[in-house]
Amino acid sequence: DARVTQTPRHKVTEMGQEVTMRCQPILGHNTVFWYRQTMMQGLELLAYFRNRAPLDDSGMPKDRFSAEMPDATLATLKIQPSEPRDSAVYFCASGFSWASGTDTQYFGPGTRLTVL
Amino acid sequence: RKEVEQDPGPFNVPEGATVAFNCTYSNSASQSFFWYRQDCRKEPKLLMSVYSSGNEDGRFTAQLNRASQYISLLIRDSKLSDSATYLCVVILYNQGGKLIFGQGTELSVKP
Repeated sequence: DARVTQTPRHKVTEMGQEVTMRCQPILGHNTVFWYRQTMMQGLELLAYFRNRAPLDDSGMPKDRFSAEMPDATLATLKIQPSEPRDSAVYFCASGFSWASGTDTQYFGPGTRLTVL
Repeated sequence: RKEVEQDPGPFNVPEGATVAFNCTYSNSASQSFFWYRQDCRKEPKLLMSVYSSGNEDGRFTAQLNRASQYISLLIRDSKLSDSATYLCVVILYNQGGKLIFGQGTELSVKP
């Protein structure tokens, strides 16, 4: 049963520290998405990639957030420096898309981030 | 106006009740539609796709009305285990297959 994996599952850090979250998409999927979920905002799309190329990162605060896909099996989301308002659950999702359509996405278990 | 809007609820219903959720979307370029379910402190999971002809999966029925730009989910004979948040999702093909999530509708099924 293929799954999206995310590490770490929980992270507590202090304001100003760097945070790196990792995601392994389902093998064969060519799109990867990063979402942030808070009680107030719901699910927000931060960035997504197709075939490892960034397609849209307009939802991401550019000054402190960065997302990369160094290879097809790894996606990273980095926050530097972290702030208390970044506290949220960060989900990675993967799926398959093609020129004229896209399949649905499958979510990882999330990284619960707390910034003190 | 949000691109995808749902009644946040909560919907509190007794076991065995029939409950319906609606979702409206604003972008007519929306091409594909889904319902996801999210349990407390868990990740969203695909519940079912939504087709123009309507589709059914056991106690769950999903409908799409493209003319009015709304999607519905009907749950019959609700169970305690149906308690969750139900998220309406649309895919925008003209934005690279971007998924837009509604805020979710919370359902609580009581004994």
